[in-house]
Amino acid sequence: DTGVSQNPRHKITKRGQNVTFRCDPISEHNRLYWYRQTLGQGPEFLTYFQNEAQLEKSRLLSDRFSAERPKGSFSTLEIQRTEQGDSAMYLCASSPEGGGSEKLFFGSGTQLSVL
Amino acid sequence: DQQVKQNSPSLSVQEGRISILNCDYTNSMFDYFLWYKKYPAEGPTFLISISSIKDKNEDGRFTVFLNKSAKHLSLHIVPSQPGDSAVYFCAALTNNDMRFGAGTRLTVKP
Repeated sequence: DTGVSQNPRHKITKRGQNVTFRCDPISEHNRLYWYRQTLGQGPEFLTYFQNEAQLEKSRLLSDRFSAERPKGSFSTLEIQRTEQGDSAMYLCASSPEGGGSEKLFFGSGTQLSVL
Repeated sequence: DQQVKQNSPSLSVQEGRISILNCDYTNSMFDYFLWYKKYPAEGPTFLISISSIKDKNEDGRFTVFLNKSAKHLSLHIVPSQPGDSAVYFCAALTNNDMRFGAGTRLTVKP
């Protein structure tokens, strides 16, 4: 399977705990994106990497959120001191650089539930 | 600020008929528009796109129309099939900033 892979698929945590999600993009894709989707809404942009460089962060990304892509391959998204409002589907997407970069390939997401 | 709007949360059509999904946007800087399809428990998958320099793009049963003056685009599916039942997201792009609409749930009845 050469698609975008996200782990875990589901995460249930208690308020105040830290959680970390992993995304493995399509191997030849330089660009990696994190989105958040809540029920009844479309995906909302969180942050974007080109190789290992984090080029853009949304205002939605509070100080409790941090994302890394240390070697320009897989990425992690960490949420510290989770709140109930963080409950959402966290989607990772990747795309190639240059032609076709606008077509994002999404993973199946990590569904976070904060109790 | 919701720059991309899909005002119909749901649409139901009969198999074989045409499905028309609509999308409006407010930012005139968007230069590329896409439609994604999402099945339950899966991420969105790319369906079809159109550049702002065009007004129509066709791919098999799927056609996207763009009306820049009205800041409106639509996706036509004809003929509709039960397997097309899914949530469809409209997306608009400028400078690596992609915004999504809230989605329209399409149900195609046999």
